[in-house]
Amino acid sequence: AQSVSQHNHHVILSEAASLELGCNYSYGGTVNLFWYVQYPGQHLQLLLKYFSGDPLVKGIKGFEAEFIKSKFSFNLRKPSVQWSDTAEYFCAVKAFYSGGYQKVTFGTGTKLQVIP
Amino acid sequence: GAGVSQSPSNKVTEKGKDVELRCDPISGHTALYWYRQRLGQGLEFLIYFQGNSAPDKSGLPSDRFSAERTGESVSTLTIQRTQQEDSAVYLCASSSHGQGLGNTIYFGEGSWLTVV
Repeated sequence: AQSVSQHNHHVILSEAASLELGCNYSYGGTVNLFWYVQYPGQHLQLLLKYFSGDPLVKGIKGFEAEFIKSKFSFNLRKPSVQWSDTAEYFCAVKAFYSGGYQKVTFGTGTKLQVIP
Repeated sequence: GAGVSQSPSNKVTEKGKDVELRCDPISGHTALYWYRQRLGQGLEFLIYFQGNSAPDKSGLPSDRFSAERTGESVSTLTIQRTQQEDSAVYLCASSSHGQGLGNTIYFGEGSWLTVV
């Protein structure tokens, strides 16, 4: 079964610091990759997604992520975080299997706290 | 509708009672997912429906949990004889089938279940 690992469970940064959140997955076949954000008290929102093509994808609010197939990774980055980025971030992998079956697996999430 | 709709948004129930949670996916989305998110924790996969295929029930935590979906429309998650550990947000998500750019997973706002 595929798995998704987010090794950083809780990250604390000062404003203007750079951010990189790790995401690794285990499935060797075709995947679509997603990062979702959940602000306090709100529902999950899509930050960015990768389906094919340029492995560097840009999302909303200055976030970007790079798909490195050889490393099974899809790390999330932002050059300069703001207090409003305080939230929980989830990586998700949609894996495609033979016969049209597909399954989405989420990582356990990373809580980001940005200190003003 | 425009997005994934879930009801009720909040439910307080007594231990031992049955509850039913409803999800109305985005029109045309063949894939529908249920997740559970306990307070302060990540997303726990429960069940996945894809068109008319047999659902993937591998995430259901016990036989008290069941879900149904009629065709490619509404889904109902039923929890029988609720326990306090069932208290959580139950999230529904839907997506279209395939690997294209439109294949984003969209989440509802969740049903907050509190078992007292």
